[in-house]
Amino acid sequence: SQKIEQNSEALNIQEGKTATLTCNYTNYSPAYLQWYRQDPGRGPVFLLLIRENEKEKRKERLKVTFDTTLKQSLFHITASQPADSATYLCALDYDGGSQGNLIFGKGTKLSVKP
Amino acid sequence: DTGVSQDPRHKITKRGQNVTFRCDPISEHNRLYWYRQTLGQGPEFLTYFQNEAQLEKSRLLSDRFSAERPKGSFSTLEIQRTEQGDSAMYLCASSLTGTVHEQYFGPGTRLTVT
Repeated sequence: SQKIEQNSEALNIQEGKTATLTCNYTNYSPAYLQWYRQDPGRGPVFLLLIRENEKEKRKERLKVTFDTTLKQSLFHITASQPADSATYLCALDYDGGSQGNLIFGKGTKLSVKP
Repeated sequence: DTGVSQDPRHKITKRGQNVTFRCDPISEHNRLYWYRQTLGQGPEFLTYFQNEAQLEKSRLLSDRFSAERPKGSFSTLEIQRTEQGDSAMYLCASSLTGTVHEQYFGPGTRLTVT
């Protein structure tokens, strides 16, 4: 069955540094991969989507890479700020992208210290 | 506010009781998803609708769970004969149909079964 792993449960970094979060998957070839942010007690908020034929996608201080050979996505936040502290979830479609149903990883809790 | 809304935000019930949750998606979105999230885990897919048709149900959705989306607008998720293991955050999300499937989540309904 499909499996998604976000390698770190928690990541602590200093303000201004670049945070790098990892998402690995097995037994699967997704059509796309998404990253969401979730704050405590709230629903996830969509951040970025990257398709299988895209290597990299950027949005402001965020960058996502997608390596279908390694079956891995990296999510970077540059010039991190305390306001970036949250849990970040990666999600894959599991039906070839036709219906939008997603499998989520457990998430990585990012803490940015001032 | 034109985002996804869910009601109630919190529900405490005794084991064996029935509960019903409501989700109002973004008005122009014809896809609607229900997820369940427990502490330290990512959201787990339960079921999804395209307009009023329920197109997929997870094996997590036992026969005690039922979901409806009459007229393709709001949706309800009912849990009958609740069990303590049903305690979780129930999230609703909506999206447009098409090749891009970012989902917009509601704030969730926190269910506690005592």
